[in-house]
Amino acid sequence: EPEVTQTPSHQVTQMGQEVILRCVPISNHLYFYWYRQILGQKVEFLVSFYNNEISEKSEIFDDQFSVERPDGSNFTLKIRSTKLEDSAMYFCASRRPGGETQYFGPGTRLLVL
Amino acid sequence: GQSLEQPSEVTAVEGAIVQINCTYQTSGFYGLSWYQQHDGGAPTFLSYNALDGLEETGRFSSFLSRSDSYGYLLLQELQMKDSASYFCALNRGGKLIFGQGTELSVKP
Repeated sequence: EPEVTQTPSHQVTQMGQEVILRCVPISNHLYFYWYRQILGQKVEFLVSFYNNEISEKSEIFDDQFSVERPDGSNFTLKIRSTKLEDSAMYFCASRRPGGETQYFGPGTRLLVL
Repeated sequence: GQSLEQPSEVTAVEGAIVQINCTYQTSGFYGLSWYQQHDGGAPTFLSYNALDGLEETGRFSSFLSRSDSYGYLLLQELQMKDSASYFCALNRGGKLIFGQGTELSVKP
Protein backbone atom coordinates (compact mmCIF):
# COMPACT_ATOMS: atom_id res chain seq x y z
CA GLU A 1 0.00 0.00 0.00
CA PRO A 2 1.43 3.41 -0.94
CA GLU A 3 2.45 5.63 1.93
CA VAL A 4 3.84 9.06 2.68
CA THR A 5 7.51 9.02 3.63
CA GLN A 6 9.53 11.64 5.48
CA THR A 7 13.22 12.24 6.07
CA PRO A 8 15.00 12.57 8.34
CA SER A 9 13.16 10.83 11.17
CA HIS A 10 15.05 12.95 13.71
CA GLN A 11 16.87 16.26 13.35
CA VAL A 12 18.83 18.12 15.99
CA THR A 13 19.92 21.65 15.18
CA GLN A 14 21.23 24.77 16.84
CA MET A 15 19.02 27.81 17.28
CA GLY A 16 19.34 30.12 14.29
CA GLN A 17 20.24 27.36 11.85
CA GLU A 18 18.25 26.49 8.76
CA VAL A 19 16.58 23.10 8.45
CA ILE A 20 14.87 21.40 5.54
CA LEU A 21 12.38 18.64 6.20
CA ARG A 22 11.59 16.36 3.30
CA CYS A 23 8.48 14.48 2.33
CA VAL A 24 7.52 12.18 -0.51
CA PRO A 25 3.73 12.23 -0.83
CA ILE A 26 1.71 9.36 -2.30
CA SER A 27 2.29 9.40 -6.04
CA ASN A 28 -1.19 10.20 -7.38
CA HIS A 29 -1.96 12.78 -4.70
CA LEU A 30 -2.01 16.43 -5.62
CA TYR A 31 -2.79 18.16 -2.30
CA PHE A 32 0.00 18.42 0.23
CA TYR A 33 0.10 19.60 3.82
CA TRP A 34 2.45 20.23 6.70
CA TYR A 35 1.34 19.93 10.32
CA ARG A 36 3.26 20.11 13.55
CA GLN A 37 2.73 18.62 16.99
CA ILE A 38 4.51 19.98 20.02
CA LEU A 39 5.11 17.22 22.56
CA GLY A 40 1.93 16.34 24.42
CA GLN A 41 -0.21 18.75 22.42
CA LYS A 42 -2.60 18.54 19.50
CA VAL A 43 -1.69 18.39 15.85
CA GLU A 44 -1.67 21.90 14.32
CA PHE A 45 -2.12 22.86 10.67
CA LEU A 46 0.76 24.81 9.13
CA VAL A 47 0.22 25.02 5.38
CA SER A 48 -1.55 23.47 2.42
CA PHE A 49 -0.10 23.34 -1.10
CA TYR A 50 -1.68 22.63 -4.47
CA ASN A 51 -0.68 23.26 -8.05
CA ASN A 52 2.73 24.56 -7.03
CA GLU A 53 1.45 27.23 -4.73
CA ILE A 54 0.32 27.71 -1.15
CA SER A 55 -3.45 27.33 -0.79
CA GLU A 56 -3.67 28.33 2.84
CA LYS A 57 -1.35 28.92 5.77
CA SER A 58 -1.85 29.31 9.48
CA GLU A 59 -0.61 32.04 11.80
CA ILE A 60 2.24 29.73 12.80
CA PHE A 61 3.54 29.70 9.24
CA ASP A 62 5.38 33.02 9.34
CA ASP A 63 8.17 34.38 7.14
CA GLN A 64 10.64 31.91 8.63
CA PHE A 65 8.80 29.04 6.97
CA SER A 66 8.64 28.13 3.31
CA VAL A 67 7.50 25.15 1.27
CA GLU A 68 8.59 23.89 -2.09
CA ARG A 69 7.95 21.08 -4.51
CA PRO A 70 11.36 20.99 -6.17
CA ASP A 71 10.56 18.05 -8.44
CA GLY A 72 7.74 15.65 -9.21
CA SER A 73 8.05 13.66 -6.03
CA ASN A 74 9.43 15.70 -3.13
CA PHE A 75 7.69 18.27 -0.94
CA THR A 76 9.86 20.22 1.49
CA LEU A 77 9.42 22.46 4.51
CA LYS A 78 12.22 24.91 5.24
CA ILE A 79 12.67 26.78 8.48
CA ARG A 80 15.14 29.58 7.81
CA SER A 81 16.28 30.46 11.32
CA THR A 82 15.11 27.96 13.87
CA LYS A 83 13.91 28.97 17.32
CA LEU A 84 13.66 26.89 20.47
CA GLU A 85 9.88 26.87 20.14
CA ASP A 86 10.12 25.22 16.72
CA SER A 87 10.97 21.98 18.50
CA ALA A 88 8.15 19.63 17.56
CA MET A 89 7.16 16.67 15.44
CA TYR A 90 6.48 17.76 11.88
CA PHE A 91 4.07 15.70 9.82
CA CYS A 92 3.59 15.80 6.09
CA ALA A 93 0.25 14.67 4.66
CA SER A 94 -1.21 14.24 1.19
CA ARG A 95 -4.63 13.80 -0.36
CA ARG A 96 -5.82 12.69 -3.76
CA PRO A 97 -8.12 14.85 -5.89
CA GLY A 98 -11.74 14.34 -4.84
CA GLY A 99 -10.77 12.46 -1.71
CA GLU A 100 -11.46 13.51 1.86
CA THR A 101 -8.79 11.50 3.61
CA GLN A 102 -5.38 12.92 4.38
CA TYR A 103 -2.62 10.37 4.72
CA PHE A 104 0.11 11.28 7.15
CA GLY A 105 3.79 10.45 7.04
CA PRO A 106 5.69 9.11 10.07
CA GLY A 107 6.97 12.57 10.97
CA THR A 108 10.29 14.29 11.60
CA ARG A 109 11.12 15.01 15.20
CA LEU A 110 12.93 18.36 15.27
CA LEU A 111 14.87 19.42 18.33
CA VAL A 112 16.27 22.96 18.44
CA LEU A 113 18.99 23.53 21.03
CA GLY B 1 -12.44 30.54 14.98
CA GLN B 2 -12.89 26.87 15.46
CA SER B 3 -12.60 24.75 18.57
CA LEU B 4 -13.12 21.11 19.43
CA GLU B 5 -13.59 19.53 22.84
CA GLN B 6 -12.81 15.93 23.68
CA PRO B 7 -12.31 14.15 27.00
CA SER B 8 -8.60 14.05 27.83
CA GLU B 9 -8.59 10.38 28.77
CA VAL B 10 -10.81 7.32 28.80
CA THR B 11 -10.18 3.90 30.32
CA ALA B 12 -11.97 0.69 29.31
CA VAL B 13 -11.44 -3.05 29.55
CA GLU B 14 -10.59 -5.45 26.78
CA GLY B 15 -13.65 -6.63 24.87
CA ALA B 16 -15.78 -3.68 25.94
CA ILE B 17 -17.29 -0.86 23.91
CA VAL B 18 -16.14 2.73 24.36
CA GLN B 19 -17.46 6.00 22.99
CA ILE B 20 -15.28 9.08 22.58
CA ASN B 21 -17.25 12.27 22.24
CA CYS B 22 -16.32 15.41 20.35
CA THR B 23 -18.14 18.72 20.47
CA TYR B 24 -17.13 21.56 18.23
CA GLN B 25 -17.67 25.19 17.36
CA THR B 26 -17.11 26.33 13.81
CA SER B 27 -18.55 28.66 11.22
CA GLY B 28 -18.56 25.93 8.60
CA PHE B 29 -16.93 22.67 7.71
CA TYR B 30 -17.10 19.85 5.21
CA GLY B 31 -16.99 16.96 7.63
CA LEU B 32 -15.59 15.43 10.81
CA SER B 33 -12.67 13.02 10.72
CA TRP B 34 -11.23 10.71 13.34
CA TYR B 35 -7.57 9.77 13.60
CA GLN B 36 -5.65 7.36 15.80
CA GLN B 37 -2.13 8.07 16.99
CA HIS B 38 0.16 5.66 18.81
CA ASP B 39 2.91 7.23 20.97
CA GLY B 40 3.51 10.28 18.77
CA GLY B 41 3.57 8.27 15.57
CA ALA B 42 1.75 9.16 12.39
CA PRO B 43 -1.95 10.02 12.78
CA THR B 44 -3.84 7.22 11.06
CA PHE B 45 -7.23 7.83 9.47
CA LEU B 46 -10.11 5.92 11.03
CA SER B 47 -13.40 7.39 9.86
CA TYR B 48 -15.06 10.38 8.23
CA ASN B 49 -18.57 11.83 8.40
CA ALA B 50 -19.60 14.30 5.75
CA LEU B 51 -23.29 13.90 6.53
CA ASP B 52 -25.26 13.38 9.71
CA GLY B 53 -25.57 9.82 10.86
CA LEU B 54 -23.49 6.76 11.51
CA GLU B 55 -20.56 5.49 9.47
CA GLU B 56 -19.34 1.97 10.21
CA THR B 57 -15.91 0.59 9.39
CA GLY B 58 -15.29 -2.75 11.03
CA ARG B 59 -14.94 -2.35 14.79
CA PHE B 60 -15.02 1.43 14.49
CA SER B 61 -18.07 3.61 13.92
CA SER B 62 -18.41 7.36 13.86
CA PHE B 63 -21.42 9.56 14.23
CA LEU B 64 -22.12 13.19 13.39
CA SER B 65 -24.97 15.52 14.29
CA ARG B 66 -24.50 18.94 12.74
CA SER B 67 -27.55 20.35 14.53
CA ASP B 68 -25.97 19.42 17.89
CA SER B 69 -22.38 20.27 16.86
CA TYR B 70 -21.46 16.85 18.15
CA GLY B 71 -19.85 13.68 16.99
CA TYR B 72 -18.46 10.52 18.50
CA LEU B 73 -16.22 7.59 17.73
CA LEU B 74 -17.40 4.18 18.88
CA LEU B 75 -14.89 1.40 19.32
CA GLN B 76 -16.24 -2.12 19.78
CA GLU B 77 -14.59 -5.33 20.94
CA LEU B 78 -11.71 -3.37 22.39
CA GLN B 79 -8.25 -4.84 22.05
CA MET B 80 -5.06 -3.95 23.90
CA LYS B 81 -3.63 -2.54 20.67
CA ASP B 82 -6.43 0.07 20.65
CA SER B 83 -4.62 1.89 23.47
CA ALA B 84 -3.70 5.14 21.74
CA SER B 85 -4.72 8.76 21.36
CA TYR B 86 -7.80 9.53 19.30
CA PHE B 87 -8.36 12.89 17.65
CA CYS B 88 -11.44 14.36 16.08
CA ALA B 89 -10.72 16.89 13.36
CA LEU B 90 -12.84 19.34 11.40
CA ASN B 91 -12.29 19.28 7.64
CA ARG B 92 -12.19 22.94 6.67
CA GLY B 93 -11.64 23.15 2.93
CA GLY B 94 -8.84 20.63 2.97
CA LYS B 95 -7.03 21.61 6.13
CA LEU B 96 -7.75 19.65 9.29
CA ILE B 97 -8.37 21.37 12.60
CA PHE B 98 -7.65 18.87 15.35
CA GLY B 99 -9.01 18.52 18.85
CA GLN B 100 -6.71 18.01 21.81
CA GLY B 101 -7.08 14.25 21.63
CA THR B 102 -8.38 11.55 23.95
CA GLU B 103 -5.95 9.05 25.40
CA LEU B 104 -7.60 5.64 25.52
CA SER B 105 -6.20 3.04 27.89
CA VAL B 106 -7.42 -0.51 27.42
CA LYS B 107 -6.95 -2.71 30.47
CA PRO B 108 -6.96 -6.54 30.48
